[in-house]
Amino acid sequence: GQQLNQSPQSMFIQEGEDVSMNCTSSSIFNTWLWYKQDPGEGPVLLIALYKAGELTSNGRLTAQFGITRKDSFLNISASIPSDVGIYFCAGQLGVIYNQGGKLIFGQGTELSVKP
Amino acid sequence: GAVVSQHPSRVICKSGTSVKIECRSLDFQATTMFWYRQFPKQSLMLMATSNEGSKATYEQGVEKDKFLINHASLTLSTLTVTSAHPEDSSFYICSATTLDRAERGGYTFGSGTRLTVV
Repeated sequence: GQQLNQSPQSMFIQEGEDVSMNCTSSSIFNTWLWYKQDPGEGPVLLIALYKAGELTSNGRLTAQFGITRKDSFLNISASIPSDVGIYFCAGQLGVIYNQGGKLIFGQGTELSVKP
Repeated sequence: GAVVSQHPSRVICKSGTSVKIECRSLDFQATTMFWYRQFPKQSLMLMATSNEGSKATYEQGVEKDKFLINHASLTLSTLTVTSAHPEDSSFYICSATTLDRAERGGYTFGSGTRLTVV
């Protein structure tokens, strides 16, 4: 089945540093989504990407949808302690009437920020 | 907008009993709801997709008789773990969407249910 390879698995950084994580897949996705999950909570959407090559920002976060539609990266600039959490990429296979609109999640990147 | 409430947030049950988890969309009518399972430090694994008024579609390897899903209304889906065993202990998360929302990547997640089977 489809798989998303997300890296790195974990990162330990100093406050103020920039962070980069990425996801690759052997499958083409219509949409790439980036989520953050805090302990004991559901994921919260950070950025949604709809078109190949699209570069989108949300505050200190920037994400890009790869040209081949098989990869995406997320950058966080000037990290702060509240950035701590697990970040997931997710690829959308198709909308609901085609393949059910399912999301396939990457393995996650656990971010730790040292003040 | 787009709030999904999941209840209970934590439940402990005895082995062999059944547990029901509710997922409600509070401010929109969710035509489609998804149920995920997440083990510690791991990804979200899709268990099933449920569309209002029809039978759920289960992912390969998920026992439909063990994980009963009901999506009887546009605002409520339930997951019942039947005859629970310790290996069913996990974090269960639902998400809800509509056709229009899904096209914009609009999947709203519940806050999850921590199930512990003793």
